Amino acid sequence: GAVVSQHPSRVICKSGTSVKIECRSLDFQATTMFWYRQFPKQSLMLMATSNEGSKATYEQGVEKDKFLINHASLTLSTLTVTSAHPEDSSFYICSANHRQGALTDTQYFGPGTRLTVL
Amino acid sequence: GQQLNQSPQSMFIQEGEDVSMNCTSSSIFNTWLWYKQEPGEGPVLLIALYKAGELTSNGRLTAQFGITRKDSFLNISASIPSDVGIYFCAGHLRQGGKLIFGQGTELSVKP
Repeated sequence: GAVVSQHPSRVICKSGTSVKIECRSLDFQATTMFWYRQFPKQSLMLMATSNEGSKATYEQGVEKDKFLINHASLTLSTLTVTSAHPEDSSFYICSANHRQGALTDTQYFGPGTRLTVL
Repeated sequence: GQQLNQSPQSMFIQEGEDVSMNCTSSSIFNTWLWYKQEPGEGPVLLIALYKAGELTSNGRLTAQFGITRKDSFLNISASIPSDVGIYFCAGHLRQGGKLIFGQGTELSVKP
């Protein structure tokens, strides 16, 4: 149980285009999902917290108009990188918060999406 | 911001050896989680700890939630080549909140 999928796993796009990444919790409902970015040999950097039915909460320094997040259902959050540029090339990972009982929040991660902007 | 100090940063060991890594913080955590990440993949949950003092095993892996709620360790016994990867500790300061990550421990196992 507690499986999170991400689609696509890899995407290559031209500079100036927009790219949408989907994150789904397959066997549980998640009111909260998270989007991370990871550079080689580094830890995960939280970009934003995605809340079902409300606006996402962005971390300091993350442009909300560039990284659009939509959490339309309890099993799906999407991240859209708008007007992508080469510096947006990175590994993007989502996670979904699974609450099985009181005081047992656990985040399960998707397999990641490698974005390359030419 | 909040930080977890994870050590060691990297380990090079012989197959069959035991491994220990730990995380400490100046803040009290509600939850401690240990993940393993392999190249090109997302982190995979290894062990989740929810109570101070809790000691949990998952096969050859054992982790403990420190009694002060400010630290945790992960032990791997009798390492094998497929244990290679980066291990991250992470914790919640509050329920439903964002995870705070350690810097990671890169494990290399020589057959």
